[in-house]
Amino acid sequence: KAGVTQTPRYLIKTRGQQVTLSCSPISGHRSVSWYQQTPGQGLQFLFEYFSETQRNKGNFPGRFSGRQFSNSRSEMNVSTLELGDSALYLCASSWAGGPDTQYFGPGTRLTVL
Amino acid sequence: DQQVKQNSPSLSVQEGRISILNCDYTNSMFDYFLWYKKYPAEGPTFLISISSIKDKNEDGRFTVFLNKSAKHLSLHIVPSQPGDSAVYFCAASAGSNYQLIWGAGTKLIIKP
Repeated sequence: KAGVTQTPRYLIKTRGQQVTLSCSPISGHRSVSWYQQTPGQGLQFLFEYFSETQRNKGNFPGRFSGRQFSNSRSEMNVSTLELGDSALYLCASSWAGGPDTQYFGPGTRLTVL
Repeated sequence: DQQVKQNSPSLSVQEGRISILNCDYTNSMFDYFLWYKKYPAEGPTFLISISSIKDKNEDGRFTVFLNKSAKHLSLHIVPSQPGDSAVYFCAASAGSNYQLIWGAGTKLIIKP
């Protein structure tokens, strides 16, 4: 079974630009969660989508948005990039969203200059 | 306010010895705790979990202990192997809200 894939793996952007990251979950999984990982901060929950609906949302500004398609693939968008948005963005999929059944992708490393 | 804290950024242990990774939490509503392991350039992988109705859960070389009164949990790895070298994250959730709150991680280095 193919794992969770994320594209692109690396991105370099400049302040003020916007970026879209993509996540393809494991086949059959309907829940996709997004996390931001920065050094010394652990993983910060961004949002979770289940069957195309945002089910949970973390404490991030409205510049961070996402969506999920009917095939469960998900995209995350960050508008008006700031230097502090530089981080590893991880996506995790699960069948129903249970905390111990999340399978993570390798992440997208975003650098904002 | 960090609700889940891993106060040791790194830990070095001799191969074959016991590794003990610690995690403290502040939110008494947390009722489910997990440990994830992360290798460089890979996403975290689930390792072991424990519900608040238990104080110990074991899976092979890995044991998680939960002390609810102290709001503290620990992960024991016995014996430690070179492949255990990774970053270990502690995470917690409350009730049916599956949103996980994560610690900052502890880098475990197993020395030969």
